[in-house]
Amino acid sequence: AQKITQTQPGMFVQEKEAVTLDCTYDTSDPSYGLFWYKQPSSGEMIFLIYQGSYDQQNATEGRYSLNFQKARKSANLVISASQLGDSAMYFCAMTGETSGSRLTFGEGTQLTVNP
Amino acid sequence: AAGVIQSPRHLIKEKRETATLKCYPIPRHDTVYWYQQGPGQDPQFLISFYEKMQSDKGSIPDRFSAQQFSDYHSELNMSSLELGDSALYFCASSSKTSSIFQETQYFGPGTRLLVL
Repeated sequence: AQKITQTQPGMFVQEKEAVTLDCTYDTSDPSYGLFWYKQPSSGEMIFLIYQGSYDQQNATEGRYSLNFQKARKSANLVISASQLGDSAMYFCAMTGETSGSRLTFGEGTQLTVNP
Repeated sequence: AAGVIQSPRHLIKEKRETATLKCYPIPRHDTVYWYQQGPGQDPQFLISFYEKMQSDKGSIPDRFSAQQFSDYHSELNMSSLELGDSALYFCASSSKTSSIFQETQYFGPGTRLLVL
């Protein structure tokens, strides 16, 4: 079975600063995918970034980057230059060889960006 | 770019009634997923379809059924509704890749179901 742990229920950051949201995972699959999604208060689920377990480089998408440390089983999301619109719930999720393409989510981190 | 479409966006039902949720995937996406997100919870996988066949099944109650049609849209049918079924129901779609765990799922806006 796969498990995602997000240990920060809430995080606060000042506008224009960088913030790191933690995600650790547990799996016995040799191959897997790691995803981050953003859920604003309006409820939609927005895909942010993907990291494959065999990818040599950390994924980046604009202001989002994924700090992937395979040995530590961590996949932290780094948001640079935070904006007020970044305030939302952030979910880390994963797929794997044995579980297929179904997403297993963590409990989420509520990020608040202060002006 | 076209996104996943879900209808209705909001639905209010009484206990023991039935509900049908619809999902229209992104064009050329062949896989549809359904997730349930209770209040303050993370989304839980219910069921998925690939090329109109059920491909995976999660924690979907027996009272729920789903299918994918020839035009790739999907419907989630919920019967004998209970108060605990009140949740946000997401549909997501993806395009099959050589490695199933690499597929990125794009979510619709969700259907917010309230059972009274």
